[in-house]
Amino acid sequence: EAGVVQSPRYKIIEKKQPVAFWCNPISGHNTLYWYRQNLGQGPELLIRYENEEAVDDSQLPKDRFSAERLKGVDSTLKIQPAELGDSAVYLCASSLDLAQGYNEQFFGPGTRLTVL
Amino acid sequence: RKEVEQDPGPFNVPEGATVAFNCTYSNSASQSFFWYRQDCRKEPKLLMSVYSSGNEDGRFTAQLNRASQYISLLIRDSKLSDSATYLCVVNRGGGSYIPTFGRGTSLIVHP
Repeated sequence: EAGVVQSPRYKIIEKKQPVAFWCNPISGHNTLYWYRQNLGQGPELLIRYENEEAVDDSQLPKDRFSAERLKGVDSTLKIQPAELGDSAVYLCASSLDLAQGYNEQFFGPGTRLTVL
Repeated sequence: RKEVEQDPGPFNVPEGATVAFNCTYSNSASQSFFWYRQDCRKEPKLLMSVYSSGNEDGRFTAQLNRASQYISLLIRDSKLSDSATYLCVVNRGGGSYIPTFGRGTSLIVHP
């Protein structure tokens, strides 16, 4: 069974450029999470989706970050424009059904973003 | 005060040693707790959930102390392959489900 798929794995851009990350969760998982992980820190939740509904997006910097999960399956996270401080690893995770208590999160390999 | 705090280490121990990590949390309404393991430049993976009664999985034992608001992870008979960062995760309760990760504790097991 395929795990959480993310692309691209690496991205190098100049500041002020836009960038987008894509995530395909494990089949059947209705909860999807986007995290940002800085070096030496734990993952920080940016947004959580229950199916296509965004919940818990209080930590998403809405002036430059946006996310969508239109059909409740795969998801895209966008940054426009990128700043130097956005350099980090962006992790996507999914879990089976949070409402039913299945809250083990399975993580994708992440996208390592470098903003120059 | 951070919501979830961990000593970043590193904890440098010889093979066969017993090592313990603690993780403190500030929100008394927190409802569920986990330990994840993250290898260098890899994604986090669930190591074990932490139950109120404590739980054990082979060489690993997790405990929860709600009164003092901390969880612990004990690793017995350390192996070289246990070298990794151990992340504590606390899920905020009170009707909201926000998983909060600690910064992680680095463990290095040497021969």
